[in-house]
Amino acid sequence: GQNIDQPTEMTATEGAIVQINCTYQTSGFNGLFWYQQHAGEAPTFLSYNVLDGLEEKGRFSSFLSRSKGYSYLLLKELQMKDSASYLCAVRPVYGQNFVFGPGTRLSVLP
Amino acid sequence: DTGVSQDPRHKITKRGQNVTFRCDPISEHNRLYWYRQTLGQGPEFLTYFQNEAQLEKSRLLSDRFSAERPKGSFSTLEIQRTEQGDSAMYLCASSPGVSSYNEQFFGPGTRLTVL
Repeated sequence: GQNIDQPTEMTATEGAIVQINCTYQTSGFNGLFWYQQHAGEAPTFLSYNVLDGLEEKGRFSSFLSRSKGYSYLLLKELQMKDSASYLCAVRPVYGQNFVFGPGTRLSVLP
Repeated sequence: DTGVSQDPRHKITKRGQNVTFRCDPISEHNRLYWYRQTLGQGPEFLTYFQNEAQLEKSRLLSDRFSAERPKGSFSTLEIQRTEQGDSAMYLCASSPGVSSYNEQFFGPGTRLTVL
């Protein structure tokens, strides 16, 4: 079966650091993706992990542990515009569909 | 190139009517995906094309749903005899055939409301 879990909601303060966790159990694994989705808009790609470890892209970093079925997205120096839903998605087979988690709605407060 | 586009952006229909949505992927992307997203949930996979071939369909895709990609470019998703439970955002995504990530690029979605 396919199962991806994320916290439903998180709140953080502008300028702070927040970590959004994702755990997964899927029938195969060929990459984990993080997407950002503002209300009423399309998801936009943030990061990709296929090997264990940390990938850093500016204020955003993503970590993967395949043995634990675990990933996190780290957002630094939070800005108000980072208020959005963050979707964790696993690709069980290369080139085919993603299995998405329910998303974590992040609210950044002044 | 302006990214993935979808038409219409919003559709309101009465229960029992048929609706059709269109997706235009990024040029030269040979993979095209349809997802459905309800409020507060992540997208759920519906179906996937590689060029004009429909390679995978979810169990969510009942016989009232049909998708086509006749020339391997744009795609249509038709829902026949709509039900209130079909109300959702329908997202289309495309991905290139070869890239290091092969990430999916999403369109803005079509929001369907069935009354």
